[in-house]
Amino acid sequence: SAVISQKPSRDICQRGTSLTIQCQVDSQVTMMFWYRQQPGQSLTLIATANQGSEATYESGFVIDKFPISRPNLTFSTLTVSNMSPEDSSIYLCSVEGISDSSSYEQYFGPGTRLTVT
Amino acid sequence: AQTVTQSQPEMSVQEAETVTLSCTYDTSENNYYLFWYKQPPSRQMILVIRQEAYKQQNATENRFSVNFQKAAKSFSLKISDSQLGDTAMYFCAFMKHRQGNLIFGKGTKLSVKP
Repeated sequence: SAVISQKPSRDICQRGTSLTIQCQVDSQVTMMFWYRQQPGQSLTLIATANQGSEATYESGFVIDKFPISRPNLTFSTLTVSNMSPEDSSIYLCSVEGISDSSSYEQYFGPGTRLTVT
Repeated sequence: AQTVTQSQPEMSVQEAETVTLSCTYDTSENNYYLFWYKQPPSRQMILVIRQEAYKQQNATENRFSVNFQKAAKSFSLKISDSQLGDTAMYFCAFMKHRQGNLIFGKGTKLSVKP
């Protein structure tokens, strides 16, 4: 099965700074997604990363705060900008279409645990 | 808007026993998918089982099976012969047909006791 990796696995950052999280898949996929999991909470979709076009953001999330890149079919980055302690969360990427292009199942990377002090 | 409700914040089961986790959802859609994900302490989200709404037959994957009641909008997960490695948070999730946005419930923390 495909391997999904994320870098960094964890980081501690100061407020006001930015962090870029990378998501790499070892096969080409159509759809990539970024989720946030706040402490003790469930997952919430931040945005869908579309290859060759701008990301599609969910309500409550904006491009200025969470800029996303999707330069090719195996890679995406999420930047958390101007961080505050409220941004402390686990950030997970997921991919759809690993087994075949029509597959709707989503598989997740290992997550990035971000702590903002 | 779609919502997913997991009414059991925590559950425990003895090793080798069977446990059922509950999930209900609310939607006006007719075509959708339902999933159960497992998140052990390592925080890796693992897909356990999926169900297409148009299929009447309940999905099964080894020791994991679902009871899908479309009219009641219920999607419970049964774990048979529970193992210590089943200890994890379990999330029920809903997705509209080909929409990509997984909507998660709040999760059920399952502890399997030796």
